[in-house]
Amino acid sequence: QQQVKQSPQSLIVQKGGISIINCAYENTAFDYFPWYQQFPGKGPALLIAIRPDVSEKKEGRFTISFNKSAKQFSLHIMDSQPGDSATYFCAASKRGAQKLVFGQGTRLTINP
Amino acid sequence: GAGVSQSPSNKVTEKGKDVELRCDPISGHTALYWYRQRLGQGLEFLIYFQGNSAPDKSGLPSDRFSAERTGESVSTLTIQRTQQEDSAVYLCASSSTRARSPHLHFGNGTRLTVT
Repeated sequence: QQQVKQSPQSLIVQKGGISIINCAYENTAFDYFPWYQQFPGKGPALLIAIRPDVSEKKEGRFTISFNKSAKQFSLHIMDSQPGDSATYFCAASKRGAQKLVFGQGTRLTINP
Repeated sequence: GAGVSQSPSNKVTEKGKDVELRCDPISGHTALYWYRQRLGQGLEFLIYFQGNSAPDKSGLPSDRFSAERTGESVSTLTIQRTQQEDSAVYLCASSSTRARSPHLHFGNGTRLTVT
């Protein structure tokens, strides 16, 4: 049973465009939603995270939008750059828990 | 400071052999995790350590897989009688449980190829 569903599996965006990756969850006990970025040959690294008490969080060109009623959250990358080409994972954890449940990942390619 | 270190970075082994993968977490991080990533796939949870105890080993795929941790430092993941389906990148991560939520710091993984 996949607790966090991520889409699309792969995404190609032109340089300067907006990249959007979506995740959905079922477990209402989740209260922390991070996004991780992974470059080839490297481990994933935390990019940005949100809690359900806010609907949006922005850090530079990266924004998380959170819809608690729909149990969905998404990552938006504005003005996408070739250096953003990577695999992105959404994740979730329960309050007080130390374990993250990851989505299946999205391979993002930004064409120059 | 030093990040999570994993060794070896690459391991090629013959089917049926045992392998040991090592993880050195960030100093002071009490939580340690092992994940498996098959080619082009997501992150599959294997086991989680809090200190040297493993409260969650629900992701270990079979009894051929085992892991241990010495104190709050080094961890080893052992795969016995390796099979071709064990080929994957094995990622280790650590986190500080002083934080409200888990911020996992990953190593670069060990790429295991079983021939």
